[in-house]
Amino acid sequence: TQLLEQSPQFLSIQEGENLTVYCNSSSVFSSLQWYRQEPGEGPVLLVTVVTGGEVKKLKRLTFQFGDARKDSSLHITAAQPGDTGLYLCAGQSSGSARQLTFGSGTQLTVLP
Amino acid sequence: DTAVSQTPKYLVTQMGNDKSIKCEQNLGHDTMYWYKQDSKKFLKIMFSYNNKELIINETVPNRFSPKSPDKAHLNLHINSLELGDSAVYFCASSHRREYSPLHFGNGTRLTVT
Repeated sequence: TQLLEQSPQFLSIQEGENLTVYCNSSSVFSSLQWYRQEPGEGPVLLVTVVTGGEVKKLKRLTFQFGDARKDSSLHITAAQPGDTGLYLCAGQSSGSARQLTFGSGTQLTVLP
Repeated sequence: DTAVSQTPKYLVTQMGNDKSIKCEQNLGHDTMYWYKQDSKKFLKIMFSYNNKELIINETVPNRFSPKSPDKAHLNLHINSLELGDSAVYFCASSHRREYSPLHFGNGTRLTVT
């Protein structure tokens, strides 16, 4: 079973601060996706990273895929209250099933 | 114009009852899924259907049975509900190709009393 550990599990910060969320595994993934989930809704895709070492930016969010494709990070610059939510990483295995395994989640709260 | 819709949003029922959750997608995707999210927000896959065929069946109790009448629908039927079945159940869909993201419904919160 492929496991994805996210850290921290909970994060509460003030508006304007920077933060980094980590997603780690001992397994290699063909790609890694990041989702954000808000209360009462389903997760929504933020980004997909495919190549080892790849960096993608989405406004104030920067995503990086580890060189060995076993880990990933999400960095948010100058966090805003609208960034509040549950952040989930999800690794996709190779092969015919291409199963998506979700991480344990990071609950981010940005205080105004 | 909801992409993935599931009903009901909330479901409260007693132990031992049988219930169903319905899901429909209008995205033209060929694969649909059921995920269970527990109280710690951990999202675990239960079933996946591709072109009406089951392609993933994780170790869930056989009280849970997915039914897909066509590519756009995947329903979840649960027999003999137990307290531990209380969770939020999410339907999702995607194209069956590498890197294809999941599109989730807004979830069904099931409470078994």
